[in-house]
Amino acid sequence: GNSVTQMEGPVTLSEEAFLTINCTYTATGYPSLFWYVQYPGEGLQLLLKATKADDKGSNKGFEATYRKETTSFHLEKGSVQVSDSAVYFCALSAPPNAGNNRKLIWGLGTSLAVNP
Amino acid sequence: ETGVTQTPRHLVMGMTNKKSLKCEQHLGHNAMYWYKQSAKKPLELMFVYSLEERVENNSVPSRFSPECPNSSHLFLHLHTLQPEDSALYLCASSQLAGGGGETQYFGPGTRLLVL
Repeated sequence: GNSVTQMEGPVTLSEEAFLTINCTYTATGYPSLFWYVQYPGEGLQLLLKATKADDKGSNKGFEATYRKETTSFHLEKGSVQVSDSAVYFCALSAPPNAGNNRKLIWGLGTSLAVNP
Repeated sequence: ETGVTQTPRHLVMGMTNKKSLKCEQHLGHNAMYWYKQSAKKPLELMFVYSLEERVENNSVPSRFSPECPNSSHLFLHLHTLQPEDSALYLCASSQLAGGGGETQYFGPGTRLLVL
């Protein structure tokens, strides 16, 4: 079946450090891939997405590239800020012809804490 | 108001109470979702409504009863809950299109505590 595996946290970094949060998936066909972020006390919000192989999603300095060959969608940022402290979720949406109602399959979330 | 709103933001209830959670989306979307978020667990999809029709019910106990009176509003009626139902309940909406890959937009959630 479809699944998402992301690295366990918590991840603690100093400001301006480089961030990588790993995400790998298993899926039939060609899913769409997402990163969502949840700031403290808030709901989830879309950070970036990619809908086909080799696409790169980017937003707010974050990037992730859809790698079909390694079934990965790792999240990266070159220089993190204190305001990036949040929980990051990787998710996939299998294509509609896979009989799945296009629901999102979620990773467990990775907590990131950035210290000044 | 813009986006997806949820009320109340916090709720404490006893096991014999009846309460309702409300969600409203101002995005013109045609699908709405209820999720349960508990610590150390993946996000659990509870219900999906597409064009006001329930299209998914993921083996959720009957003490949770959803209602979708129109495409903008979604309710979750709660009765005789258990302490293990304490969690953050998130509502989301999306615009279903033919090709998949739709983005879901989330509300801030209702933090529920069952005593």
